[in-house]
Amino acid sequence: GAVVSQHPSRVICKSGTSVKIECRSLDFQATTMFWYRQFPKKSLMLMATSNEGSKATYEQGVEKDKFLINHASLTLSTLTVTSAHPEDSSFYICSARDTSYGYTFGSGTRLTVV
Amino acid sequence: GNSVTQMEGPVTLSEEAFLTINCTYTATGYPSLFWYVQYPGEGLQLLLKATKADDKGSNKGFEATYRKETTSFHLEKGSVQVSDSAVYFCALLADYKLSFGAGTTVTVRA
Repeated sequence: GAVVSQHPSRVICKSGTSVKIECRSLDFQATTMFWYRQFPKKSLMLMATSNEGSKATYEQGVEKDKFLINHASLTLSTLTVTSAHPEDSSFYICSARDTSYGYTFGSGTRLTVV
Repeated sequence: GNSVTQMEGPVTLSEEAFLTINCTYTATGYPSLFWYVQYPGEGLQLLLKATKADDKGSNKGFEATYRKETTSFHLEKGSVQVSDSAVYFCALLADYKLSFGAGTTVTVRA
């Protein structure tokens, strides 16, 4: 079956620094990848949709300059949280879409900004 | 717009009890409907899905039927186990985007 690997699973960073989260589709090519943010005891909020080789489409209210998304290949998308602050602390989850497998989710990244 | 409304939890049950989690949706067109499960500290796993009206999705003893007339997709399991403790999300797919309900935390006690 389809597997999406998300790395790192946990990261702690200092306020003001940047953090990169990787999302890889291991055994299929993902035409589209999605990035979600999940607050404690809350649902998933779609942040952006990325298609390989083109700019990401951000949802309303999501800062493009803070959450940089790169989808350089059909198997890799990255989310960079720039100049992170404590309010950016959250659980980030990626998802990859494939015509055969549908939507497959990564295991998530717990970001803590101190 | 598209939205999913899910019954609020938390839900606490004893082993072998019957579980129902209500889910209703609002969407234009004919979305596909899903139930996802999230175990502590993990991402989401697809539990079951239905792509058209009257379809029944089933997996691991869980079932849900796509009811167009009531715009619902309620999740049921006849006899829960401790290992079913998790957060359950109802979701709809429209325009290639998934919209999620708020999630229902289920705890099953031995």
